[in-house]
Amino acid sequence: GESVGLHLPTLSVQEGDNSIINCAYSNSASDYFIWYKQESGKGPQFIIDIRSNMDKRQGQRVTVLLNKTVKHLSLQIAATQPGDSAVYFCAENRSTGFQKLVFGTGTRLLVSP
Amino acid sequence: AAGVIQSPRHLIKEKRETATLKCYPIPRHDTVYWYQQGPGQDPQFLISFYEKMQSDKGSIPDRFSAQQFSDYHSELNMSSLELGDSALYFCASSLGQGNSPLHFGNGTRLTVT
Repeated sequence: GESVGLHLPTLSVQEGDNSIINCAYSNSASDYFIWYKQESGKGPQFIIDIRSNMDKRQGQRVTVLLNKTVKHLSLQIAATQPGDSAVYFCAENRSTGFQKLVFGTGTRLLVSP
Repeated sequence: AAGVIQSPRHLIKEKRETATLKCYPIPRHDTVYWYQQGPGQDPQFLISFYEKMQSDKGSIPDRFSAQQFSDYHSELNMSSLELGDSALYFCASSLGQGNSPLHFGNGTRLTVT
Protein backbone atom coordinates (compact mmCIF):
# COMPACT_ATOMS: atom_id res chain seq x y z
CA GLY A 1 0.00 0.00 0.00
CA GLU A 2 0.98 3.63 -0.17
CA SER A 3 3.21 4.80 2.61
CA VAL A 4 5.62 7.40 3.75
CA GLY A 5 8.87 6.08 5.08
CA LEU A 6 12.40 6.97 6.00
CA HIS A 7 15.62 5.32 4.88
CA LEU A 8 17.58 5.57 8.13
CA PRO A 9 16.13 4.86 11.53
CA THR A 10 19.07 6.44 13.42
CA LEU A 11 21.49 9.14 12.43
CA SER A 12 24.46 10.00 14.64
CA VAL A 13 26.40 13.21 14.00
CA GLN A 14 28.88 15.43 15.75
CA GLU A 15 27.95 18.86 16.97
CA GLY A 16 28.53 21.39 14.23
CA ASP A 17 28.06 18.90 11.40
CA ASN A 18 25.30 19.22 8.88
CA SER A 19 22.57 16.57 9.10
CA ILE A 20 20.45 15.19 6.32
CA ILE A 21 17.32 13.17 7.03
CA ASN A 22 15.62 11.51 4.10
CA CYS A 23 12.07 10.45 3.42
CA ALA A 24 10.41 8.62 0.54
CA TYR A 25 6.74 8.89 -0.28
CA SER A 26 4.68 6.91 -2.71
CA ASN A 27 1.56 8.94 -3.42
CA SER A 28 2.21 11.25 -6.33
CA ALA A 29 -1.07 13.02 -5.52
CA SER A 30 0.32 14.35 -2.24
CA ASP A 31 0.76 18.08 -2.43
CA TYR A 32 1.89 19.18 0.99
CA PHE A 33 4.69 17.89 3.17
CA ILE A 34 5.72 18.73 6.70
CA TRP A 35 8.70 17.89 8.86
CA TYR A 36 8.11 17.43 12.57
CA LYS A 37 10.54 17.08 15.45
CA GLN A 38 9.50 15.02 18.45
CA GLU A 39 11.38 15.10 21.70
CA SER A 40 10.82 12.51 24.39
CA GLY A 41 7.54 13.02 26.20
CA LYS A 42 6.39 15.77 23.87
CA GLY A 43 4.16 16.09 20.87
CA PRO A 44 5.43 16.54 17.33
CA GLN A 45 6.72 20.07 16.83
CA PHE A 46 6.35 21.75 13.44
CA ILE A 47 9.70 22.50 11.79
CA ILE A 48 9.09 23.39 8.18
CA ASP A 49 6.67 22.64 5.38
CA ILE A 50 6.76 22.64 1.61
CA ARG A 51 4.12 22.54 -1.07
CA SER A 52 4.41 20.50 -4.21
CA ASN A 53 4.84 23.57 -6.42
CA MET A 54 8.22 24.17 -4.78
CA ASP A 55 11.39 22.10 -4.70
CA LYS A 56 13.22 23.90 -1.92
CA ARG A 57 12.37 25.92 1.12
CA GLN A 58 14.64 27.34 3.76
CA GLY A 59 14.05 28.18 7.38
CA GLN A 60 16.35 28.98 10.23
CA ARG A 61 19.17 26.40 9.98
CA VAL A 62 16.83 24.02 8.16
CA THR A 63 16.19 23.38 4.49
CA VAL A 64 13.64 21.05 2.99
CA LEU A 65 14.14 19.68 -0.49
CA LEU A 66 11.41 18.04 -2.51
CA ASN A 67 12.07 15.90 -5.55
CA LYS A 68 8.72 14.99 -7.03
CA THR A 69 10.28 12.98 -9.84
CA VAL A 70 11.55 10.35 -7.45
CA LYS A 71 9.10 11.14 -4.65
CA HIS A 72 11.81 12.06 -2.21
CA LEU A 73 11.92 14.56 0.59
CA SER A 74 14.87 15.58 2.74
CA LEU A 75 15.49 17.75 5.75
CA GLN A 76 18.85 19.40 6.08
CA ILE A 77 19.93 20.81 9.41
CA ALA A 78 22.94 23.10 9.36
CA ALA A 79 25.44 23.24 12.21
CA THR A 80 23.62 20.57 14.18
CA GLN A 81 23.40 21.18 17.90
CA PRO A 82 22.79 18.80 20.83
CA GLY A 83 19.36 20.37 21.21
CA ASP A 84 18.51 19.02 17.76
CA SER A 85 18.61 15.47 19.12
CA ALA A 86 15.11 14.07 18.65
CA VAL A 87 13.02 11.88 16.39
CA TYR A 88 12.17 13.50 13.08
CA PHE A 89 9.07 12.61 11.10
CA CYS A 90 8.08 13.56 7.62
CA ALA A 91 4.35 13.78 7.05
CA GLU A 92 2.39 13.75 3.85
CA ASN A 93 -0.94 15.35 3.10
CA ARG A 94 -3.14 13.07 1.06
CA SER A 95 -6.41 14.85 1.58
CA THR A 96 -7.88 17.53 -0.60
CA GLY A 97 -9.40 20.25 1.55
CA PHE A 98 -9.03 18.85 5.03
CA GLN A 99 -5.71 17.57 6.17
CA LYS A 100 -5.19 13.98 7.16
CA LEU A 101 -1.47 13.91 7.62
CA VAL A 102 0.14 10.53 7.16
CA PHE A 103 3.36 10.17 9.07
CA GLY A 104 6.36 8.20 8.03
CA THR A 105 8.57 6.15 10.31
CA GLY A 106 10.70 8.48 12.38
CA THR A 107 14.45 8.92 12.24
CA ARG A 108 16.26 9.39 15.50
CA LEU A 109 18.93 12.06 15.31
CA LEU A 110 21.69 11.79 17.90
CA VAL A 111 24.05 14.74 18.21
CA SER A 112 27.24 14.25 20.13
CA PRO A 113 29.02 17.23 21.71
CA ALA B 1 2.09 31.81 22.23
CA ALA B 2 -0.76 29.61 23.31
CA GLY B 3 -0.47 25.98 22.31
CA VAL B 4 -2.74 22.98 22.16
CA ILE B 5 -3.65 21.85 25.66
CA GLN B 6 -4.44 18.24 26.45
CA SER B 7 -5.66 16.70 29.65
CA PRO B 8 -4.99 14.63 31.52
CA ARG B 9 -1.28 14.25 30.93
CA HIS B 10 -1.26 10.69 32.19
CA LEU B 11 -4.10 8.24 32.67
CA ILE B 12 -4.13 4.72 34.03
CA LYS B 13 -7.18 2.54 33.48
CA GLU B 14 -8.04 -1.11 33.78
CA LYS B 15 -9.29 -3.31 30.98
CA ARG B 16 -12.93 -2.76 30.08
CA GLU B 17 -13.01 0.65 31.73
CA THR B 18 -13.75 3.90 29.92
CA ALA B 19 -11.58 6.98 29.45
CA THR B 20 -12.16 10.52 28.26
CA LEU B 21 -9.36 12.62 26.83
CA LYS B 22 -9.73 16.36 26.36
CA CYS B 23 -8.17 18.75 23.89
CA TYR B 24 -8.23 22.53 23.82
CA PRO B 25 -7.03 23.86 20.46
CA ILE B 26 -5.03 26.97 19.80
CA PRO B 27 -7.34 30.00 20.01
CA ARG B 28 -9.13 30.67 16.71
CA HIS B 29 -8.22 27.25 15.34
CA ASP B 30 -11.40 25.58 14.16
CA THR B 31 -10.09 22.13 13.24
CA VAL B 32 -8.92 19.42 15.61
CA TYR B 33 -7.32 16.07 14.92
CA TRP B 34 -6.68 13.04 17.08
CA TYR B 35 -3.68 10.78 16.63
CA GLN B 36 -2.56 7.63 18.41
CA GLN B 37 1.13 6.82 18.81
CA GLY B 38 2.30 3.45 20.06
CA PRO B 39 5.80 2.92 21.48
CA GLY B 40 8.38 3.49 18.79
CA GLN B 41 5.68 4.08 16.20
CA ASP B 42 4.68 7.02 14.09
CA PRO B 43 1.44 8.84 14.93
CA GLN B 44 -1.65 7.25 13.38
CA PHE B 45 -4.60 9.41 12.41
CA LEU B 46 -7.83 8.63 14.23
CA ILE B 47 -10.38 11.32 13.49
CA SER B 48 -10.77 15.03 12.78
CA PHE B 49 -13.40 17.73 13.21
CA TYR B 50 -13.99 21.03 11.48
CA GLU B 51 -16.51 23.51 12.86
CA LYS B 52 -17.91 20.84 15.19
CA MET B 53 -18.56 18.37 12.40
CA GLN B 54 -16.57 15.25 11.75
CA SER B 55 -14.42 15.93 8.73
CA ASP B 56 -12.41 12.76 8.32
CA LYS B 57 -12.00 9.37 9.91
CA GLY B 58 -9.00 7.13 10.10
CA SER B 59 -8.20 3.98 12.01
CA ILE B 60 -10.41 4.72 14.97
CA PRO B 61 -11.97 1.65 16.64
CA ASP B 62 -15.74 1.51 16.99
CA ARG B 63 -15.18 1.54 20.76
CA PHE B 64 -13.90 5.10 20.46
CA SER B 65 -15.92 8.19 19.72
CA ALA B 66 -15.12 11.87 19.64
CA GLN B 67 -16.79 15.21 19.28
CA GLN B 68 -16.00 18.87 19.00
CA PHE B 69 -17.93 21.32 21.12
CA SER B 70 -19.17 24.85 20.49
CA ASP B 71 -16.03 26.30 22.09
CA TYR B 72 -13.97 24.13 19.67
CA HIS B 73 -12.52 21.91 22.34
CA SER B 74 -12.71 18.22 21.61
CA GLU B 75 -13.07 15.04 23.62
CA LEU B 76 -12.06 11.52 22.74
CA ASN B 77 -14.15 8.91 24.50
CA MET B 78 -12.77 5.41 24.76
CA SER B 79 -14.81 2.49 26.04
CA SER B 80 -14.14 -1.18 26.76
CA LEU B 81 -10.46 -0.41 26.98
CA GLU B 82 -8.02 -3.07 25.89
CA LEU B 83 -4.35 -3.53 26.71
CA GLY B 84 -3.53 -2.59 23.13
CA ASP B 85 -5.05 0.83 23.62
CA SER B 86 -2.07 1.81 25.74
CA ALA B 87 -0.42 4.58 23.78
CA LEU B 88 0.18 8.28 23.52
CA TYR B 89 -2.83 10.17 22.23
CA PHE B 90 -2.14 13.47 20.57
CA CYS B 91 -4.50 16.20 19.63
CA ALA B 92 -3.58 18.73 16.97
CA SER B 93 -5.30 21.85 15.72
CA SER B 94 -5.17 23.99 12.62
CA LEU B 95 -6.91 26.98 11.17
CA GLY B 96 -9.46 26.05 8.55
CA GLN B 97 -9.14 23.60 5.74
CA GLY B 98 -6.40 23.52 3.23
CA ASN B 99 -2.70 23.15 3.60
CA SER B 100 -1.77 24.69 6.91
CA PRO B 101 0.43 23.15 9.58
CA LEU B 102 -1.04 21.03 12.33
CA HIS B 103 0.10 22.07 15.78
CA PHE B 104 0.25 19.27 18.32
CA GLY B 105 -0.29 19.14 22.04
CA ASN B 106 2.01 17.17 24.32
CA GLY B 107 -0.35 14.25 24.44
CA THR B 108 -2.07 12.05 26.98
CA ARG B 109 -0.26 8.88 27.91
CA LEU B 110 -2.87 6.18 28.44
CA THR B 111 -1.87 3.00 30.20
CA VAL B 112 -4.35 0.14 30.32
CA THR B 113 -3.61 -2.57 32.88
